[in-house]
Amino acid sequence: EAEVAQSPRYKITEKSQAVAFWCDPISGHATLYWYRQILGQGPELLVQFQDESVVDDSQLPKDRFSAERLKGVDSTLKIQPAELGDSAMYLCASSLAPSTDTQYFGPGTRLTVL
Amino acid sequence: QQQVKQSPQSLIVQKGGISIINCAYENTAFDYFPWYQQFPGKGPALLIAIRPDVSEKKEGRFTISFNKSAKQFSLHIMDSQPGDSATYFCAAGNQGGKLIFGQGTELSVKP
Repeated sequence: EAEVAQSPRYKITEKSQAVAFWCDPISGHATLYWYRQILGQGPELLVQFQDESVVDDSQLPKDRFSAERLKGVDSTLKIQPAELGDSAMYLCASSLAPSTDTQYFGPGTRLTVL
Repeated sequence: QQQVKQSPQSLIVQKGGISIINCAYENTAFDYFPWYQQFPGKGPALLIAIRPDVSEKKEGRFTISFNKSAKQFSLHIMDSQPGDSATYFCAAGNQGGKLIFGQGTELSVKP
């Protein structure tokens, strides 16, 4: 069964450092999502891509976060500089289309900022 | 108006019992209501979903009940098993694809 791949699974960094997370969606999925999940809460959408274009980044803190999906396949989410409040699980999901198609989630990257 | 409120925050059920989790939304533009199951250290996985043109959907031991006029929906897990112990999230979405998640319910099924 095809899965969404994410790496690294765990990342520990010091505040003010830069971090990057990678996501490889299920093959053929045009829509890719990055969510942030703070411990004990539900996922919150950070950015949504349709192919290589950003559809929704209204909740992305653009002063420190950036996301790209250059070839419309895999994607990278970057934080620079990291802050203590960025400690969370960063989840990537993909779906066939930007509608109510099922979103399939990857295992996530657990970020700890010290 | 974009919030989805979920209750209870945690739930303990005996094996074989019924687990019930409730969600409420405000935005009438939502037209897709999925439930996700998440085990520790894993990403959420779709359990069951419903659209507002039906009032109930059942898949095995899992049932969604939907009340459009009250803007509420709930997940019922029949014959709950220890393997069902996980965190459950309701969500609401529309044609744009963005999902708004509830705060989650940590379910523990005792043997």
